[in-house]
Amino acid sequence: EAGVAQSPRYKIIEKRQSVAFWCNPISGHATLYWYQQILGQGPKLLIQFQNNGVVDDSQLPKDRFSAERLKGVDSTLKIQPAKLEDSAVYLCASSLVGAAGAIGELFFGEGSRLTVL
Amino acid sequence: QKEVEQNSGPLSVPEGAIASLNCTYSDRGSQSFFWYRQYSGKSPELIMFIYSNGDKEDGRFTAQLNKASQYVSLLIRDSQPSDSATYLCAVNSSSGGGADGLTFGKGTHLIIQP
Repeated sequence: EAGVAQSPRYKIIEKRQSVAFWCNPISGHATLYWYQQILGQGPKLLIQFQNNGVVDDSQLPKDRFSAERLKGVDSTLKIQPAKLEDSAVYLCASSLVGAAGAIGELFFGEGSRLTVL
Repeated sequence: QKEVEQNSGPLSVPEGAIASLNCTYSDRGSQSFFWYRQYSGKSPELIMFIYSNGDKEDGRFTAQLNKASQYVSLLIRDSQPSDSATYLCAVNSSSGGGADGLTFGKGTHLIIQP
Protein backbone atom coordinates (compact mmCIF):
# COMPACT_ATOMS: atom_id res chain seq x y z
CA GLU A 1 0.00 0.00 0.00
CA ALA A 2 1.43 3.36 -1.02
CA GLY A 3 1.96 5.85 1.80
CA VAL A 4 1.26 9.56 2.02
CA ALA A 5 3.12 11.38 -0.74
CA GLN A 6 4.43 14.91 -0.33
CA SER A 7 6.38 17.31 -2.52
CA PRO A 8 8.69 19.06 -2.65
CA ARG A 9 10.88 17.52 0.04
CA TYR A 10 12.94 20.67 0.44
CA LYS A 11 12.34 24.31 -0.41
CA ILE A 12 14.43 27.40 0.26
CA ILE A 13 12.87 30.82 -0.30
CA GLU A 14 13.39 34.38 0.79
CA LYS A 15 10.99 36.13 3.13
CA ARG A 16 7.95 37.65 1.46
CA GLN A 17 8.07 35.05 -1.31
CA SER A 18 5.38 32.43 -1.75
CA VAL A 19 5.54 28.63 -1.62
CA ALA A 20 3.15 25.73 -2.13
CA PHE A 21 3.26 22.19 -0.84
CA TRP A 22 1.37 19.23 -2.25
CA CYS A 23 0.06 16.12 -0.51
CA ASN A 24 -1.58 12.94 -1.78
CA PRO A 25 -3.02 10.86 1.08
CA ILE A 26 -3.34 7.10 1.31
CA SER A 27 -6.03 5.87 -1.05
CA GLY A 28 -9.42 5.75 0.65
CA HIS A 29 -8.45 7.98 3.58
CA ALA A 30 -11.16 10.59 3.94
CA THR A 31 -9.41 12.73 6.54
CA LEU A 32 -6.35 14.81 5.73
CA TYR A 33 -4.30 16.97 8.09
CA TRP A 34 -1.54 19.50 7.64
CA TYR A 35 0.87 19.90 10.56
CA GLN A 36 3.72 22.34 11.09
CA GLN A 37 6.75 21.04 13.00
CA ILE A 38 9.32 23.61 14.03
CA LEU A 39 12.74 22.25 14.98
CA GLY A 40 12.72 20.89 18.53
CA GLN A 41 8.94 20.98 18.87
CA GLY A 42 6.09 18.59 18.32
CA PRO A 43 3.81 18.82 15.28
CA LYS A 44 1.16 21.56 15.46
CA LEU A 45 -2.12 21.08 13.63
CA LEU A 46 -2.79 23.72 10.99
CA ILE A 47 -5.87 22.38 9.24
CA GLN A 48 -8.05 19.27 9.02
CA PHE A 49 -10.11 18.25 6.01
CA GLN A 50 -12.89 15.70 5.94
CA ASN A 51 -13.24 14.75 2.27
CA ASN A 52 -13.13 18.19 0.60
CA GLY A 53 -14.54 20.18 3.53
CA VAL A 54 -12.62 22.01 6.25
CA VAL A 55 -13.32 20.61 9.73
CA ASP A 56 -10.80 22.58 11.77
CA ASP A 57 -8.62 25.51 10.73
CA SER A 58 -8.53 27.28 14.07
CA GLN A 59 -4.71 27.32 14.21
CA LEU A 60 -4.11 28.26 10.59
CA PRO A 61 -2.67 31.80 10.21
CA LYS A 62 -5.21 32.78 7.63
CA ASP A 63 -3.57 36.08 6.75
CA ARG A 64 -0.76 34.17 5.03
CA PHE A 65 -1.62 30.48 4.91
CA SER A 66 -4.25 28.83 2.76
CA ALA A 67 -5.10 25.25 1.98
CA GLU A 68 -7.48 23.43 -0.28
CA ARG A 69 -8.46 19.86 -0.99
CA LEU A 70 -10.24 19.79 -4.27
CA LYS A 71 -12.21 16.63 -5.10
CA GLY A 72 -11.49 15.28 -1.64
CA VAL A 73 -8.21 13.63 -2.57
CA ASP A 74 -4.96 15.54 -2.81
CA SER A 75 -4.33 18.83 -1.06
CA THR A 76 -2.21 21.96 -1.41
CA LEU A 77 -0.92 24.19 1.38
CA LYS A 78 0.23 27.68 0.38
CA ILE A 79 2.15 30.33 2.25
CA GLN A 80 2.12 33.88 0.92
CA PRO A 81 4.05 35.93 1.94
CA ALA A 82 6.46 33.79 3.92
CA LYS A 83 8.08 34.96 7.13
CA LEU A 84 11.28 33.79 8.80
CA GLU A 85 9.26 32.03 11.52
CA ASP A 86 7.58 29.84 8.89
CA SER A 87 10.79 27.81 8.61
CA ALA A 88 9.65 24.33 9.58
CA VAL A 89 8.75 20.90 8.28
CA TYR A 90 5.22 20.73 6.92
CA LEU A 91 3.78 17.30 7.51
CA CYS A 92 0.75 15.93 5.77
CA ALA A 93 -1.11 13.08 7.43
CA SER A 94 -4.17 11.05 6.61
CA SER A 95 -6.45 8.73 8.53
CA LEU A 96 -9.20 6.28 7.79
CA VAL A 97 -12.31 7.67 9.41
CA GLY A 98 -14.74 5.27 10.94
CA ALA A 99 -12.53 2.21 11.27
CA ALA A 100 -12.74 0.81 14.80
CA GLY A 101 -9.74 1.81 16.85
CA ALA A 102 -8.31 3.96 14.09
CA ILE A 103 -9.47 7.33 15.33
CA GLY A 104 -6.42 9.52 15.69
CA GLU A 105 -4.11 6.97 14.08
CA LEU A 106 -2.36 9.19 11.63
CA PHE A 107 -0.15 8.11 8.77
CA PHE A 108 2.40 10.80 8.02
CA GLY A 109 4.18 11.67 4.82
CA GLU A 110 7.92 12.34 4.79
CA GLY A 111 7.32 16.07 5.10
CA SER A 112 8.35 19.19 3.21
CA ARG A 113 11.20 21.11 4.82
CA LEU A 114 10.91 24.87 4.31
CA THR A 115 13.74 27.30 4.96
CA VAL A 116 12.90 31.00 4.79
CA LEU A 117 15.94 33.31 4.48
CA GLN B 1 -5.76 25.90 25.19
CA LYS B 2 -5.07 22.19 25.19
CA GLU B 3 -1.54 21.39 26.30
CA VAL B 4 0.55 18.26 26.36
CA GLU B 5 3.71 18.38 28.46
CA GLN B 6 6.77 16.17 28.15
CA ASN B 7 10.28 16.35 29.50
CA SER B 8 12.42 17.12 26.45
CA GLY B 9 15.40 15.16 27.78
CA PRO B 10 17.68 13.79 26.63
CA LEU B 11 16.88 10.67 28.60
CA SER B 12 19.83 8.30 28.59
CA VAL B 13 19.20 4.61 29.35
CA PRO B 14 21.64 1.66 29.21
CA GLU B 15 20.95 -1.05 26.65
CA GLY B 16 18.72 -3.76 28.09
CA ALA B 17 17.22 -1.52 30.77
CA ILE B 18 13.67 -0.13 30.99
CA ALA B 19 13.06 3.31 29.52
CA SER B 20 10.21 5.27 31.10
CA LEU B 21 8.67 8.20 29.25
CA ASN B 22 6.06 10.44 30.80
CA CYS B 23 3.42 12.86 29.60
CA THR B 24 0.75 15.04 31.19
CA TYR B 25 -2.18 16.73 29.49
CA SER B 26 -4.42 19.63 30.40
CA ASP B 27 -7.78 18.80 28.83
CA ARG B 28 -9.86 16.56 31.09
CA GLY B 29 -12.12 15.81 28.13
CA SER B 30 -9.31 14.03 26.30
CA GLN B 31 -10.42 10.66 25.06
CA SER B 32 -7.54 8.86 23.42
CA PHE B 33 -3.80 8.91 23.81
CA PHE B 34 -0.99 8.03 21.47
CA TRP B 35 2.74 7.52 21.46
CA TYR B 36 4.61 8.25 18.24
CA ARG B 37 8.28 7.61 17.57
CA GLN B 38 10.23 10.02 15.38
CA TYR B 39 13.74 9.32 14.16
CA SER B 40 15.86 12.33 13.29
CA GLY B 41 14.84 13.74 9.92
CA LYS B 42 11.93 11.32 9.59
CA SER B 43 8.19 11.59 10.09
CA PRO B 44 6.38 10.33 13.20
CA GLU B 45 5.19 6.73 13.30
CA LEU B 46 2.61 5.28 15.67
CA ILE B 47 3.91 3.05 18.47
CA MET B 48 0.84 2.59 20.62
CA PHE B 49 -2.52 4.04 21.50
CA ILE B 50 -4.60 3.70 24.66
CA TYR B 51 -8.16 4.71 25.47
CA SER B 52 -8.89 3.22 28.90
CA ASN B 53 -7.32 3.62 32.32
CA GLY B 54 -4.69 1.04 33.12
CA ASP B 55 -1.96 -0.69 31.18
CA LYS B 56 -1.77 -1.84 27.60
CA GLU B 57 1.09 -4.04 26.46
CA ASP B 58 2.41 -4.63 22.95
CA GLY B 59 5.66 -6.55 22.76
CA ARG B 60 8.38 -4.58 24.53
CA PHE B 61 6.13 -1.54 24.88
CA THR B 62 3.61 -0.79 27.64
CA ALA B 63 1.39 2.28 27.70
CA GLN B 64 -0.12 3.38 31.00
CA LEU B 65 -3.02 5.78 31.40
CA ASN B 66 -4.36 7.51 34.50
CA LYS B 67 -7.17 9.88 33.55
CA ALA B 68 -7.71 11.08 37.11
CA SER B 69 -4.11 12.31 37.24
CA GLN B 70 -4.14 13.31 33.54
CA TYR B 71 -1.02 11.27 33.04
CA VAL B 72 0.12 8.85 30.37
CA SER B 73 3.39 6.99 30.17
CA LEU B 74 5.31 4.64 27.89
CA LEU B 75 7.62 1.92 29.14
CA ILE B 76 10.13 0.29 26.82
CA ARG B 77 11.56 -2.96 28.14
CA ASP B 78 14.88 -4.45 27.06
CA SER B 79 15.85 -1.15 25.41
CA GLN B 80 17.80 -1.44 22.17
CA PRO B 81 20.03 1.13 20.44
CA SER B 82 17.42 1.19 17.65
CA ASP B 83 14.96 2.63 20.18
CA SER B 84 17.00 5.85 20.27
CA ALA B 85 14.61 8.48 18.90
CA THR B 86 12.24 11.24 19.95
CA TYR B 87 9.00 9.98 21.46
CA LEU B 88 5.96 12.18 20.98
CA CYS B 89 2.94 11.98 23.23
CA ALA B 90 -0.29 12.96 21.49
CA VAL B 91 -3.81 13.47 22.74
CA ASN B 92 -7.11 13.43 20.91
CA SER B 93 -9.68 15.75 22.39
CA SER B 94 -12.51 15.54 19.95
CA SER B 95 -14.35 18.85 20.10
CA GLY B 96 -17.30 17.91 17.97
CA GLY B 97 -18.05 18.53 14.33
CA GLY B 98 -15.59 15.82 13.39
CA ALA B 99 -12.52 17.77 14.50
CA ASP B 100 -10.17 15.20 15.94
CA GLY B 101 -6.68 16.41 15.14
CA LEU B 102 -4.08 15.34 17.67
CA THR B 103 -2.34 17.72 20.05
CA PHE B 104 1.31 16.75 20.38
CA GLY B 105 3.85 17.34 23.10
CA LYS B 106 7.34 18.55 22.28
CA GLY B 107 8.71 15.04 22.58
CA THR B 108 11.30 13.31 24.74
CA HIS B 109 14.66 12.55 23.17
CA LEU B 110 15.66 9.03 24.22
CA ILE B 111 19.23 7.73 23.92
CA ILE B 112 19.98 4.06 24.47
CA GLN B 113 23.62 3.59 25.39
CA PRO B 114 25.22 0.35 24.06
